[in-house]
This record gives sequence, structure tokens and C-alpha cells, in this order.
Amino acid sequence: DAGITQSPRYKITETGRQVTLMCHQTWSHSYMFWYRQDLGHGLRLIYYSAAADITDKGEVPDGYVVSRSKTENFPLTLESATRSQTSVYFCASSEYPDSPLHFGNGTRLTVT
Amino acid sequence: TQLLEQSPQFLSIQEGENLTVYCNSSSVFSSLQWYRQEPGEGPVLLVTVVTGGEVKKLKRLTFQFGDARKDSSLHITAAQPGDTGLYLCAGDNNDMRFGAGTRLTVKP
Repeated sequence: DAGITQSPRYKITETGRQVTLMCHQTWSHSYMFWYRQDLGHGLRLIYYSAAADITDKGEVPDGYVVSRSKTENFPLTLESATRSQTSVYFCASSEYPDSPLHFGNGTRLTVT
Repeated sequence: TQLLEQSPQFLSIQEGENLTVYCNSSSVFSSLQWYRQEPGEGPVLLVTVVTGGEVKKLKRLTFQFGDARKDSSLHITAAQPGDTGLYLCAGDNNDMRFGAGTRLTVKP
């Protein structure tokens, strides 16, 4: 089925570990986004990508790394996880920069 | 500081009541979107407003974009328990920024 898939759905990791969250979309949308959602802050943009091999920082990029070698995949890596990165992470895609966003169902990450 | 301020943060009402939630900013947006999010899922688009003063209706939901394209409102008529969820506004400001949301609970 067409859509946007995030994996894993839940992840528990320890402080200092590297962890990668995966995002795959089947629409061939040019734009992909990573948001984190925390109580009281809503959705905050971490990184986005306009096309393969093009990425840009969002509002809260520190501590995160992204890559986009293929249009359909946009993995998010926490190089050395911290407790403050405990959150729900959402990946989204859109056809154009101001088009409606299509979201995955999120990854709930807990850093202990 | 949020670019988009949503109010109220929480709202609990009885089935059949009307309600309005607000999305305000000091910035001008080329477009503004409203999403609804249910627990354990990602947000889903309800509507996009583009023109200042624009009003869009989606069944019992009425969306309005302010004349200056800095604010928006969502009015729900005769709310139902199925309307329960987190309502998020998002504005296009070079990238898509979200408000913190209004968590609506409609009690039967």
C-alpha cells in the first residue's frame, strides 16, 4: 500500500548510544521532514529534505543527523542519545514545500 | 516561543455544544493548514487556507483565515465524541511550523 512507514514503532535506548529511526515513503514525494512532538511544544521541525542528497536544518537540529541517498528513504540518526531526546518522532512527506504533509504513525523513543 | 500560538490548550465540552479554537501569530503566512491527530497516530490534514479572509467548511467544521493572513480559527458546530482529538495549525514560513495544539474532548 502507498504511504509513509516509520520503524521501529517503539525504541528504548541508553544515554550515549547511537540510534537510527527509519522512514520510507512510496509516493515519490520530493520533500521529507522529521519532527519531534513533546507536550507543551507541539511538533518541532528537526531536519527536512527537498530532494535526494539535499537536506536542511529545521528548528531543533542539534544532536541529530540525516541523510537522503534515495528519494523514498529519510533516516534520522541520534549519534549519542541524551535523555532530552526522549520524544515521539514523526516523519512526513509532501509533493511541494507548501503542500499538505503526509505523516507516518511515529516512533516513540525513550532514552534511559 | 512558539511561532504559532494556539488557544485554548485544552477544551472539554459536552456533545452538542459549539466551540471555537484559535491559531495566532505575529508572522504572515502564505498558507495555513489545520490537522487533527488521534492518539498513536500522525496528524491528518483537515484543510488548507490560502487567501486572507477565506472561509472553508468541512461538514460541521468551519475554518477561517484572517484578513492579514496571521491568524486562523476553527469552529465546530454541534460537537460529537468523534471530534475528540488534538487539533494542530501549521503555517508555511519557508518551512512548515506547527502550533502546540488544542486538545479537545467531547463527552457523550
